Amino acid sequence: QVQLVESGGGLVNPGGSLRLSCATSGFSFSAQYMAWIRQAPGKGLEWISHISGSGSNPYYADSVKGRFAISRDNAKNSLYLQMNSLRAEDTAVYYCARPDDSSITYWGQGTLVTVSS
Amino acid sequence: DVVMTQSPLSLAVTLGQPASISCRSSQSLVHSNGNTYLSWFHQRPGQSPRRLIYKVSSRDSGVPDRFSGSGSGTDFTLKISRVEAEDVGVYYCFQGTHWPRLAFGGGTKVEIK
Repeated sequence: QVQLVESGGGLVNPGGSLRLSCATSGFSFSAQYMAWIRQAPGKGLEWISHISGSGSNPYYADSVKGRFAISRDNAKNSLYLQMNSLRAEDTAVYYCARPDDSSITYWGQGTLVTVSS
Repeated sequence: DVVMTQSPLSLAVTLGQPASISCRSSQSLVHSNGNTYLSWFHQRPGQSPRRLIYKVSSRDSGVPDRFSGSGSGTDFTLKISRVEAEDVGVYYCFQGTHWPRLAFGGGTKVEIK
């Protein structure tokens, strides 16, 4: 059974940093692309980053490029999102997701990040 | 970038009646391999999204057959043949054709009238 469990969300000051983690199980993690998708309160879904199984070719949406860094540890079956220079508009629920065949098959439960002083 | 536009923004439907949601893309979603990577997701309040349909019209396992997807090129539709109470929430279309810049539609909120 595939499981994706996010952690690391919380309240952070503008300009601060936070690192999200996604612990996975139930599938061959190193063989899969992984992604982060976010949803601001009351808003729609935004695909913000993904990374290949080997950890190469990370992609970032323009809204987070230069401030966020996606990474993975295949030995720990874990995905990460390092978020720096956080802004109020980064406030959102952040979902870890597993893309398959150009769609999204599995989602985590999400972790809330609130950027506020 | 491909822009995904959904309509209507919200929909109030009587139980047992049909519902239809439109999704239009700013570019064709036909991939060079011949597939069209258009998916539909449903999100209930307080829950993670769940995929209903992939590649335009393929239903995911466990999805009731009252849900159907259709369309081609730039115009796509999700239909619910008879709305049930559990169908409330927000529906999103998603394009996976134009990698790596993937995109969701803005969402359509379905409520019971």
